[in-house]
Amino acid sequence: DGGITQSPKYLFRKEGQNVTLSCEQNLNHDAMYWYRQDPGQGLRLIYYSQIVNDFQKGDIAEGYSVSREKKESFPLTVTSAQKNPTAFYLCASSIRLNTEAFFGQGTRLTVV
Amino acid sequence: AQSVTQLGSHVSVSEGALVLLRCNYSSSVPPYLFWYVQYPNQGLQLLLKYTSAATLVKGINGFEAEFKKSETSFHLTKPSAHMSDAAEYFCAVSYGIPSGYSTLTFGKGTMLLVSP
Repeated sequence: DGGITQSPKYLFRKEGQNVTLSCEQNLNHDAMYWYRQDPGQGLRLIYYSQIVNDFQKGDIAEGYSVSREKKESFPLTVTSAQKNPTAFYLCASSIRLNTEAFFGQGTRLTVV
Repeated sequence: AQSVTQLGSHVSVSEGALVLLRCNYSSSVPPYLFWYVQYPNQGLQLLLKYTSAATLVKGINGFEAEFKKSETSFHLTKPSAHMSDAAEYFCAVSYGIPSGYSTLTFGKGTMLLVSP
């Protein structure tokens, strides 16, 4: 089955630690995205990538980093510089930037 | 910059009643518009999309939306609500522009509550 796989579904980390969220897609999509979701705030774009080895900051990139070494993979690292990292993180992909995005099941990160 | 406004953070309907979820967008160029649904602790699923073809768009699960350029609206409707429709709904907008393409911008979401 084609789709987007995010892992893990739940993640707990201690404050001050970096953590990496995995996102893999087998849809052969060029574009991939990371969104953060907080209650009542909708989805906010963290980073996106249109092509391998290239990525752009979204609206709330501070405290996050990404890489795009393979077309299928777009991992997100939440660094210790992110002041409020506890949130639901969604990865998505699309054929190109302005077309419909397909979403993974999300990773809920809790920092204690 | 593109933006989307969803009127009403919560909408309550009775089972069998009409569902109407409102979405207005801001635009200086023709938009592409989308509606997504999200169930608790899950990702978003595409319900329907408008990409400059027919203004009345039919989607999955009996939902449809009408693009009205004069009102800059793309409201989502369903004639008869089911209990299984209870979820959060997101409207999103994007554009194809001469120098490239825009990413999707999402509204803040509307939670649909369905009572028996």
